[in-house]
Amino acid sequence: KAGVTQTPRYLIKTRGQQVTLSCSPISGHRSVSWYQQTPGQGLQFLFEYFSETQRNKGNFPGRFSGRQFSNSRSEMNVSTLELGDSALYLCASSPNLAGGSYNEQFFGPGTRLTVL
Amino acid sequence: GQNIDQPTEMTATEGAIVQINCTYQTSGFNGLFWYQQHAGEAPTFLSYNVLDGLEEKGRFSSFLSRSKGYSYLLLKELQMKDSASYLCAVSAGNMLTFGGGTRLMVKP
Repeated sequence: KAGVTQTPRYLIKTRGQQVTLSCSPISGHRSVSWYQQTPGQGLQFLFEYFSETQRNKGNFPGRFSGRQFSNSRSEMNVSTLELGDSALYLCASSPNLAGGSYNEQFFGPGTRLTVL
Repeated sequence: GQNIDQPTEMTATEGAIVQINCTYQTSGFNGLFWYQQHAGEAPTFLSYNVLDGLEEKGRFSSFLSRSKGYSYLLLKELQMKDSASYLCAVSAGNMLTFGGGTRLMVKP
């Protein structure tokens, strides 16, 4: 099975611009989560999607949004970029088996976003 | 709320044993994960504990005490390639909350 893929791998933007990142989960996985990783804050949860619905949301401003498509692929969008948005954005997919609490998440390689 | 604490950095010698501790206070609990992350790479799954006790997997073992809100990851026969960050994460509902990670440096 192919792993989680994320595009693009690297991105440079300037303040005030907006950006869209893409994530393709492992085939058959219906849950997709997004995380922001910075040296100072570690890995922080952004949001989680399941069957095209946002089920959980972390503590991030409304400039961060996402969506999931019927094929489980997901995108996240950051509008009005700030310098502090520079980070590694990781996507993770999970099979989210019904009735199971074992929700191992498989991470993609991430998108390194630099805001200048 | 969720609060997960682990040491920021640890250093150990090749061939030795190291224990990385994780304490947590969370509003829900489905299980505890340990992930390994090499610099510039994505986290990879190491272990999962949902019941109290020790789970052993080769050179790596993970322990959980739910009543104490405590877990540790034990790495035996350390190798240079074990130099990485080790992330403790608590699963609650469909969310994973991560600790800040422990950067382990293995020296010859």
